[in-house]
Amino acid sequence: AQKITQTQPGMFVQEKEAVTLDCTYDTSDPSYGLFWYKQPSSGEMIFLIYQGSYDQQNATEGRYSLNFQKARKSANLVISASQLGDSAMYFCAMREVNSGYALNFGKGTSLLVTP
Amino acid sequence: DVKVTQSSRYLVKRTGEKVFLECVQDMDHENMFWYRQDPGLGLRLIYFSYDVKMKEKGDIPEGYSVSREKKERFSLILESASTNQTSMYLCASSPSGTSGINEQFFGPGTRLTVL
Repeated sequence: AQKITQTQPGMFVQEKEAVTLDCTYDTSDPSYGLFWYKQPSSGEMIFLIYQGSYDQQNATEGRYSLNFQKARKSANLVISASQLGDSAMYFCAMREVNSGYALNFGKGTSLLVTP
Repeated sequence: DVKVTQSSRYLVKRTGEKVFLECVQDMDHENMFWYRQDPGLGLRLIYFSYDVKMKEKGDIPEGYSVSREKKERFSLILESASTNQTSMYLCASSPSGTSGINEQFFGPGTRLTVL
């Protein structure tokens, strides 16, 4: 069964607007971590933000914030004030503490920022 | 500056050839990973290693093997390349520890084409 679901294959947003990329997850492990990565067209995966399952507050890193709703098992990425350079693939991933070191990735969302 | 490097950005091989993909990290990380990325499928884990000479199968190990003789180097081997192994291959490394951030750092990827 898919552990990470990203339901938006593609998204458009206008420059300077905010955008939310959806991610839902499935786990019975009480301890887990959620990650978002960005992959520009050049191919490298860039770590953006992390949320631990026991973290009380939503994670924020600059223009990135994570809307963590534990009861709904969702971990949506919010990008504020979009820039043209934000155009990329975005992947949500989960690491379950009891399952070891590997990450389970979603299928990704392609974001295009338009002028 | 932390770095994961991969031996080739692009590789073209023929069906039946033995293929070696090399990955080196300079962060003294215990864990190393090999993923393949295909459009619409996200990243799928092939193998990972949590220590020298130690390895564990990921979700899609068939047709692949790995070698980790030194801490900094993790090799992916295609014993007899087939056309369905045409893909983008991504190497990653991370510190040990399943709780806490311990994010994975990725290499630039190798785009392998098997003819």
